[in-house]
Amino acid sequence: SYVLTQPPSVSVAPGKTARITCGGDNFETRSVHWYQQKPGQAPVLVISYDSDRPSGIPERFSGSNSGNTATLTISGVEAGDEGDYYCHVWDTGSDHVIFGGGTKLTVL
Amino acid sequence: EVQLVESGGGLVQRGGSLRLSCAASGFTISRYYMSWVRQAPGKGLEWVANIHQDGSETYYADSVKGRFTISRDNTKNSVYLQMNSLRGEDTAVYYCANQGKYYGSLENWGRGTPVTVSS
Repeated sequence: SYVLTQPPSVSVAPGKTARITCGGDNFETRSVHWYQQKPGQAPVLVISYDSDRPSGIPERFSGSNSGNTATLTISGVEAGDEGDYYCHVWDTGSDHVIFGGGTKLTVL
Repeated sequence: EVQLVESGGGLVQRGGSLRLSCAASGFTISRYYMSWVRQAPGKGLEWVANIHQDGSETYYADSVKGRFTISRDNTKNSVYLQMNSLRGEDTAVYYCANQGKYYGSLENWGRGTPVTVSS
């Protein structure tokens, strides 16, 4: 089955740049989406189709997809950005939605 | 305002059944695929199922296939998840979300409804 690999945790100082990666096969043929989930809350879409930012999401959030790795970049990290981040693709082989295991972002 | 509200969760015995509902407001679900996603306590997100705009196509995670059924009533702007033969590993918060395409992003999420399966 198709697997998305994320680092379990990323730590960054306030004001710096956080990069969260999502690894998988044949990413160039897939659209990658990213979600933020804060404790006790529902997930929120922060990046769709590799790099599109939904309305209301700060410009500090951006995404890219190259080769076998997609990256969520958060510039000028703030304390309120802490939470879990998940990547998501559709696997055409199995007709399944696939989520990465999630990355916990800690702001130092 | 776009809103999704799940209901129907609760405590159920192993082997029992439960039907979850998701009521949408602020948009028309007939334009969207609809999905159910769950999250076990302390764990990550797990996709459960989704359904085409007109209900003609459904997809299921292997872990629930044959036990869960997703359905929708566009006239009621609602989507449902019938869960049978429940197991302990089905214990989770269940979220519904809308997707523009089957491979698209999960654009809006509800707050979830908790399901606990006891032995």
